[in-house]
Amino acid sequence: AQKITQTQPGMFVQEKEAVTLDCTYDTSDQSYGLFWYKQPSSGEMIFLIYQGSYDEQNATEGRYSLNFQKARKSANLVISASQLGDSAMYFCAMREAETGANNLFFGTGTRLTVIP
Amino acid sequence: ETGVTQTPRHLVMGMTNKKSLKCEQHLGHNAMYWYKQSAKKPLELMFVYNFKEQTENNSVPSRFSPECPNSSHLFLHLHTLQPEDSALYLCASSQVRPMNTEAFFGQGTRLTVV
Repeated sequence: AQKITQTQPGMFVQEKEAVTLDCTYDTSDQSYGLFWYKQPSSGEMIFLIYQGSYDEQNATEGRYSLNFQKARKSANLVISASQLGDSAMYFCAMREAETGANNLFFGTGTRLTVIP
Repeated sequence: ETGVTQTPRHLVMGMTNKKSLKCEQHLGHNAMYWYKQSAKKPLELMFVYNFKEQTENNSVPSRFSPECPNSSHLFLHLHTLQPEDSALYLCASSQVRPMNTEAFFGQGTRLTVV
């Protein structure tokens, strides 16, 4: 079974608008971490934001915030005030405590296109 | 400059060739990984090394052979590959602990098997 599901293959957003990228996950662990990465056309994966399963507050990092709904097992990324440079692939990933703290499982990604 | 450098950036090889991918990190990390990224599929974790010891091998065919001579270098040796092995191969590194430590990725090697 997929551990990370990203149901939006592609998303479009107008420049300066906000956009939400969906991510749901599947785990039986109580302790896990959720990550979002950005992959521009250059290929490298750039870390954006992290949410721990025990964190009570939603994570925020500049224009990025995470809408963490633990009961629904979702960790959606919200990008506010979109910029043209935000056009890229976005990946949600999870690390589970029981399988080892350094195995990152990724979803299929969402391609975000920011329209001028 | 991400701190993780992969060479070569592009590689075209025949099915009978032998080649190696190289990854180098100068971030002081003690874990290194190989991922395979194919179109429309999740990133596939291939190998994990913690403190130079291999801890994960996710049913990867033996035509892929990793080597981690020290904590800063990671290789992926390739031989008798198949066309379906064409993909972007990404190397990453991180600290083993704590849980919230992010992995840093290289820019990848775009491999084409002909």
